[in-house]
Amino acid sequence: DQQVKQNSPSLSVQEGRISILNCDYTNSMFDYFLWYKKYPAEGPTFLISISSIKDKNEDGRFTVFLNKSAKHLSLHIVPSQPGDSAVYFCAASGSYSGGSNYKLTFGKGTLLTVNP
Amino acid sequence: SAVISQKPSRDICQRGTSLTIQCQVDSQVTMMFWYRQQPGQSLTLIATANQGSEATYESGFVIDKFPISRPNLTFSTLTVSNMSPEDSSIYLCSVEDLTLADVEQFFGPGTRLTVL
Repeated sequence: DQQVKQNSPSLSVQEGRISILNCDYTNSMFDYFLWYKKYPAEGPTFLISISSIKDKNEDGRFTVFLNKSAKHLSLHIVPSQPGDSAVYFCAASGSYSGGSNYKLTFGKGTLLTVNP
Repeated sequence: SAVISQKPSRDICQRGTSLTIQCQVDSQVTMMFWYRQQPGQSLTLIATANQGSEATYESGFVIDKFPISRPNLTFSTLTVSNMSPEDSSIYLCSVEDLTLADVEQFFGPGTRLTVL
């Protein structure tokens, strides 16, 4: 039973355009969400996060939006660059029965390809 | 953020043998985590390793199969015991950065394990 779902295994966009990566979650006790980027043969790199008390967090070209009622978050990259080509993982954490603040639950990832 | 290294970076092992993976951090950290990423799957937490106490294992993972050591605040090992082809995965260690206001984990480069 996947609690964090990334339904698009891959996404292809043109350089300069916006990339939108989506993530859905089922556990309403999640209260902190993160995006990681992973290049081949490297570990995941933390990109941006958002707390459930916010609905938007922006860091340069990266913006994460959170819709709690829909249990949905998205990562927007604008403008997209070829160097952004990587696998993007959505992750969630929260305090809930049997869980802990630090446990991260990951989605399966979305492979983003930015074409020059 | 902490700099994390793992050894070996990859290995090919025979069924029934064991492999010990090392994780070294360049600063003292309280919590270290071990994850597994099976082919086509999300990152899954195996266990949490705190210095001076037994590791805490997630559902589906047991100490006999994945013994963990945490001798000090900068080092941990994960052993994959009595390996089978189903253990072929990328194994990653991560640490929690308590200097940040929120919960982020930083990952090592991973160990790619293939079991024949």
